[in-house]
Amino acid sequence: DTGVSQNPRHKITKRGQNVTFRCDPISEHNRLYWYRQTLGQGPEFLTYFQNEAQLEKSRLLSDRFSAERPKGSFSTLEIQRTEQGDSAMYLCASSLVNSPLHFGNGTRLTVT
Amino acid sequence: TQLLEQSPQFLSIQEGENLTVYCNSSSVFSSLQWYRQEPGEGPVLLVTVVTGGEVKKLKRLTFQFGDARKDSSLHITAAQPGDTGLYLCAGLQGAQKLVFGQGTRLTINP
Repeated sequence: DTGVSQNPRHKITKRGQNVTFRCDPISEHNRLYWYRQTLGQGPEFLTYFQNEAQLEKSRLLSDRFSAERPKGSFSTLEIQRTEQGDSAMYLCASSLVNSPLHFGNGTRLTVT
Repeated sequence: TQLLEQSPQFLSIQEGENLTVYCNSSSVFSSLQWYRQEPGEGPVLLVTVVTGGEVKKLKRLTFQFGDARKDSSLHITAAQPGDTGLYLCAGLQGAQKLVFGQGTRLTINP
């Protein structure tokens, strides 16, 4: 069990640029989740996949955010035209159906 | 609007003291989980409680799920510096969507 892997660990970008993060879940896990966490807050749900299907997306999520899981394995989260308010830790988690979530160590995004 | 309210948000106590952290909601959850998060890392699951009134113990940590499955508490006995961290409660909504509280940042001073 190599755990959930997220890359990069840190990303600094200028406002208006696009960024993409990658998440490699635990290999046999069919569910994959993206959360966002700002300083002093708990993780906020963004979206989740079961296999390659995106089953739910937060209504709070701007159209600038898009996530994919093309082959039901790794996932990418893209943010277009980044804003300073996008600065946060982006967490990925994976699980089997009806099983606890296993989180990665996140990608910390700083938008300058 | 926070679905799950944790209190206190910050707690700093001396080693050896006892403490309780609360997680409250107006919503009913099918289960509730407690996580601990260290700086720069993702949350790590401590326990899942499913049945109303359920009590689970993990060494010096005692977790309780409210009878109505709307609230939970975490009690730590004889706190140690290694207990320092961010404690998060999370409720399961729908099929499998976890909703988190804002966390309790606990500091245990030697």
